[in-house]
Formats: sequence, structure tokens, C-alpha cells
Amino acid sequence: DGGITQSPKYLFRKEGQNVTLSCEQNLNHDAMYWYRQDPGQGLRLIYYSQIVNDFQKGDIAEGYSVSREKKESFPLTVTSAQKNPTAFYLCASSPTGSQPQHFGDGTRLSIL
Amino acid sequence: KQEVTQIPAALSVPEGENLVLNCSFTDSAIYNLQWFRQDPGKGLTSLLLIQSSQREQTSGRLNASLDKSSGRSTLYIAASQPGDSATYLCAVIGAAGNKLTFGGGTRVLVKP
Repeated sequence: DGGITQSPKYLFRKEGQNVTLSCEQNLNHDAMYWYRQDPGQGLRLIYYSQIVNDFQKGDIAEGYSVSREKKESFPLTVTSAQKNPTAFYLCASSPTGSQPQHFGDGTRLSIL
Repeated sequence: KQEVTQIPAALSVPEGENLVLNCSFTDSAIYNLQWFRQDPGKGLTSLLLIQSSQREQTSGRLNASLDKSSGRSTLYIAASQPGDSATYLCAVIGAAGNKLTFGGGTRVLVKP
């Protein structure tokens, strides 16, 4: 079945450590997105990519990095510069930037 | 900068009652508006998408209206069921057509 796969479901980070969250889609979508969701709040855009080898910062990009080397993959690295990384991270994709987005099931990141 | 607000933040109704969820946005220059459902610890499921030129969209027991000039959208869920218990989020895509801005969501509990 076509869809978006995020892994792992749960992730723990030690102080000073970088961690990478995986997002893979087999929908042949050009655009991919990363969002952060804090408890009881809506989603905030971290980074987005409208095409392979290109990406733009969203509203809260500081302390995060991404790459888009393949159409189906858009990994997110939470760096040690992100001082409050505990949150629920959601990846999404869409055929183009203006079409409906499809979401993965998320990764919950916590600090050890 | 676009801001999206959802009031109330939480809502509890008895089974069978109609649900009315509100969404307001500050910049009326939108491309479209989407309503999503989120179950605890899960990703988002798209419910309805309204293009900026449309006034409403319907899907089964769900009806969403859009008044772009006043910056408001309303999601109606008829004859609520316990299975409708979830968080409902609205989001708008701006006129540039490439980024979703989310509201904080309304957490709904339908009591049997």
C-alpha cells in the first residue's frame, strides 16, 4: 500500500547528541514536510522540500537540519543546538505544494 | 503572518448531539483550508478540503463551511458518535500555495 513511513516510533536523545528521524514515502510525491507538535498544540513547520535537492526553512528551523537526496526520503536531524527537542514529530508529503498533505504516524522524541 | 485560532480548545457532548467546531484565520488571502482529525499518538487524517473559491464541502456526516471575507470556517459533525472522539485541526494554505498554517486544535469527547 502507498503511504508515509516514519521511524522509529519512539526515540530517546542524550544531552549533546544528534539524532535522525526517518521519513520515507512511496506515493511519488514531489513535496515533503516536517512538523513539530507540542502537547495540546497545533503543528509548526520545521522544514519543507518541494523537489529533490532543494529545501526551505519553515517557522522553527533553528536546531534542525534536513536533506533531500532522493524523492522518497526526507530525513530530519535534531542537533544538539535544539535545546528543547522533546515533542511529537510528523512528516507529510503532497503531490505539489498546494495539494492536500498526507501524514505519517509520527515519532515521539524524548530526552534521557 | 497568518495566524489560525480554534475555539473552544476542548468540547464534551453526549452521543447524538451535533458538533460545531470553529476556526478563524487572520489573513483572508488563502489558497485553501483543510480540516484534519488526529487520534491520540497518531498522525493526521484529512477530512475535508475547501478551495478558496468554494463556500462549503460535505462528506457523509461532515460539513465544512468557509467565509473567506470574515476569516472563518466551521466544521459541523451531525449525530455525533463515541468514535468521533479525537482532536480536530484546521489549517490554511496561503496564497503562495506552499505552506500549511495550523490552528491549535479542538479536543472532542463524545460520551455514550
